[in-house]
Amino acid sequence: SQKIEQNSEALNIQEGKTATLTCNYTNYSPAYLQWYRQDPGRGPVFLLLIRENEKEKRKERLKVTFDTTLKQSLFHITASQPADSATYLCALSNTGKLIFGQGTTLQVKP
Amino acid sequence: ETGVTQTPRHLVMGMTNKKSLKCEQHLGHNAMYWYKQSAKKPLELMFVYNFKEQTENNSVPSRFSPECPNSSHLFLHLHTLQPEDSALYLCASSQKPLEKETQYFGPGTRLLVL
Repeated sequence: SQKIEQNSEALNIQEGKTATLTCNYTNYSPAYLQWYRQDPGRGPVFLLLIRENEKEKRKERLKVTFDTTLKQSLFHITASQPADSATYLCALSNTGKLIFGQGTTLQVKP
Repeated sequence: ETGVTQTPRHLVMGMTNKKSLKCEQHLGHNAMYWYKQSAKKPLELMFVYNFKEQTENNSVPSRFSPECPNSSHLFLHLHTLQPEDSALYLCASSQKPLEKETQYFGPGTRLLVL
């Protein structure tokens, strides 16, 4: 069956460190993968999109990798700050629509 | 602000009530979506509209009835809901209903069915 897995346990890190979040998928062949940020009580906000033929994408302190062989995307936040604390969702494109993972909550401690 | 607004932000209703959720986007997009987000579960796509026409119904029970009068407005009519329908209902829009399109979400309506 098709599955998207993000670590359901919260990730706690110290301010200034690099946070790395994982998105694994099975039985999909997505052409695109997107990452969103969701704060409590708010809707998700788009962060980055990466295509299947791209290995890496960067935007300011954010970096996303996409390995179609491993069926995995990694999402990195460098020099993390308490304001980066939120839930991060990965979303795969599949037959014209986005399929979301359940998200990983990141807590950055000062 | 993302340019997508939703009202009401919170709603409590009994199982015999009828209510409606409203979504409006100010982005000039042509595609609009309804998602359901339950605790500890991924977002579930419910409906997709493209140029006011419904293009996707993800096996949603008939007690949820969407309406899209124009490309800027989307409604979700609710009737005889069940307690398990309690969730955050999110509206989103995109330029086109394609997989590479970024989706812009509203803040959601937190629904509690008693």
